[in-house]
Amino acid sequence: SQTIHQWPATLVQPVGSPLSLECTVEGTSNPNLYWYRQAAGRGLQLLFYSVGIGQISSEVPQNLSASRPQDRQFILSSKKLLLSDSGFYLCAWSEPNYEQYFGPGTRLTVT
Amino acid sequence: KQEVTQIPAALSVPEGENLVLNCSFTDSAIYNLQWFRQDPGKGLTSLLLIQSSQREQTSGRLNASLDKSSGRSTLYIAASQPGDSATYLCAVITNSNSGYALNFGKGTSLLVTP
Repeated sequence: SQTIHQWPATLVQPVGSPLSLECTVEGTSNPNLYWYRQAAGRGLQLLFYSVGIGQISSEVPQNLSASRPQDRQFILSSKKLLLSDSGFYLCAWSEPNYEQYFGPGTRLTVT
Repeated sequence: KQEVTQIPAALSVPEGENLVLNCSFTDSAIYNLQWFRQDPGKGLTSLLLIQSSQREQTSGRLNASLDKSSGRSTLYIAASQPGDSATYLCAVITNSNSGYALNFGKGTSLLVTP
């Protein structure tokens, strides 16, 4: 069966520090991968998606970047965090019928 | 641009009641619609997926319907239990969505009281 992992679960970082969040999927090959952010009082917003290794698309201009160094690994990064980067970050993968499955999320607080 | 709206934003019911959560979307050219459950501080759990050619899906006490032409979906929960308390999210994939990503509503926060 397929599983999706995210780490860390929680993170508190000062403004201006770097960020690296990791997501890995097990039990499937060549999945579509997604990063979403859920900010307080707002809905879930798509940040990045990837349809294959090294293929990253961004939906909104922002302070973040993403990479997919391996088929089932998706990394979200920032060189310098802003206060507005605080939120709940969720990684997801989709099956061929595009049903999406989400990881447990990372709670990021930028202080 | 696809807009997804969920009504009500919050709902409190006594245990045992049947209830309906509503979802509407502005662009009827959807690929599929998915209902999720989110417990506080947790990730999303997929409840039901309805393909655009389908009209409903059922899983246990849950039934989701889809009326694509009117841009509406409902999630029916039968015989509600305190364990059903959570936020329920509706999301659609629109045919033009990049990478088949989901557009989410803001959710309905459900509280089922004993």
